[in-house]
Amino acid sequence: QQPVQSPQAVILREGEDAVINCSSSKALYSVHWYRQKHGEAPVFLMILLKGGEQKGHDKISASFNEKKQQSSLYLTASQLSYSGTYFCGTEIIQGAQKLVFGQGTRLTINP
Amino acid sequence: GAGVSQTPSNKVTEKGKYVELRCDPISGHTALYWYRQSLGQGPEFLIYFQGTGAADDSGLPNDRFFAVRPEGSVSTLKIQRTERGDSAVYLCASSLALAGPRGGTGELFFGEGSRLTVL
Repeated sequence: QQPVQSPQAVILREGEDAVINCSSSKALYSVHWYRQKHGEAPVFLMILLKGGEQKGHDKISASFNEKKQQSSLYLTASQLSYSGTYFCGTEIIQGAQKLVFGQGTRLTINP
Repeated sequence: GAGVSQTPSNKVTEKGKYVELRCDPISGHTALYWYRQSLGQGPEFLIYFQGTGAADDSGLPNDRFFAVRPEGSVSTLKIQRTERGDSAVYLCASSLALAGPRGGTGELFFGEGSRLTVL
């Protein structure tokens, strides 16, 4: 039931782009994305609801393909501040209020 | 306070002891969640409160774990007869809004967590 994230780790130079994928074996109602820096609390990025929507937030955007039960997070022209571990959280039942998080993708941005 | 507050930030205990972890959510947030995070892993759902009642406790690993939220604000996670495998960071999150027309989980505001070490 836990979603699978890929890749597990990415190392980039500042200004490069990255894509993080999240796949589920179950039909999804929503996908949530969070970023966690070392020793800190996870911080909300965005929610994507069933319906195949795409959202953007500065240079971070995401898509949700409900037919494939997948979501992708796109980081464009990465900045040093983007470093951290990215988690997707999936909700399979509408209104369940229960997010199941993936194992995370560690993103390192070097100058 | 401005954010979710968790105490203690660190707790070291011996195997078999009883532990309480406290969460003070953002004022006005009716939804409260407990998650557990082991090193290198994503947060693992434990329990969800809507107001005073536990709406979903399906993530509690066994009957040694119990959580309460008697007045619909502060919540306490209680762990009896602690085991070394209970060592983890226990995260609390609160939420105000639901997502979408059918009430899915909204934006979660996480606390810094309580790091529990069982020796």
